[in-house]
Amino acid sequence: DTAVSQTPKYLVTQMGNDKSIKCEQNLGHDTMYWYKQDSKKFLKIMFSYNNKELIINETVPNRFSPKSPDKAHLNLHINSLELGDSAVYFCASSQDLNGNQPQHFGDGTRLSIL
Amino acid sequence: DQQVKQNSPSLSVQEGRISILNCDYTNSMFDYFLWYKKYPAEGPTFLISISSIKDKNEDGRFTVFLNKSAKHLSLHIVPSQPGDSAVYFCAARRVDSYGKLTFGQGTILTVHP
Repeated sequence: DTAVSQTPKYLVTQMGNDKSIKCEQNLGHDTMYWYKQDSKKFLKIMFSYNNKELIINETVPNRFSPKSPDKAHLNLHINSLELGDSAVYFCASSQDLNGNQPQHFGDGTRLSIL
Repeated sequence: DQQVKQNSPSLSVQEGRISILNCDYTNSMFDYFLWYKKYPAEGPTFLISISSIKDKNEDGRFTVFLNKSAKHLSLHIVPSQPGDSAVYFCAARRVDSYGKLTFGQGTILTVHP
C-alpha cells in the first residue's frame, strides 16, 4: 500500500504545453512538499503546504502553481512548459512542520520537454 | 551557494567491509540532519537521522556521526551488503525553516559481492 503516490511516473510533452502532476499521501500527514531534481542531481524544494495552506514558495516561477484540495493531496500544475523544466519532480509528506520527523517521498515524475 | 555538500560522487566497497559516506555543511543554523537512500526509478527513502544536540546515532548496521565544530557528518554502514548499493543523500534542516530540507548531491555506493 503506497504511502506517497504520484502520477504520472513519466511525462513527455512539447514546449509551451500545460501539464499537471498529482500527488496523494495516505499517511495522515499534515504537510506536503514538491521537490525538483535537476540534471545535476540536486534535490531542491519548490513548495510546501501544511493543512492546505502554502508555507514555502522557494522563488519558483509563477508558471508553477501548486494546489492542495485537502491535506492528503498536493498537485502541481505547470503552464507554458520550457526546456529547463525537464527534471524529476518528487512529492513528499511529513507529519507536520515541526519536530524531527522525516519526510516520505513518492517515486517521482520524470518530465521531459521536447 | 550549496550549503550541503557530498564531495565524493561515488564509493566502491567490498561486501562485509565498512562503507563510510561523508557530508559537509556550511550553515551553522542547521539543527537536524538526515540520510536518505535512493534506488533507481524510486523516491528517496529515509534511513537515519541525528539532532544537532547529539554526536552519534545508531540503528542496526547504520550509524551517523556528527561533528558540529567541523560541520561534518558521516554515515557508516557495517557490514556492507550488495543490497546497500544505491545513491545516498545527506540532508539538513534549519530549526526555523518550516521543514525545508537542503540536500547534498548524493554519493553512489556500490557494494561488490
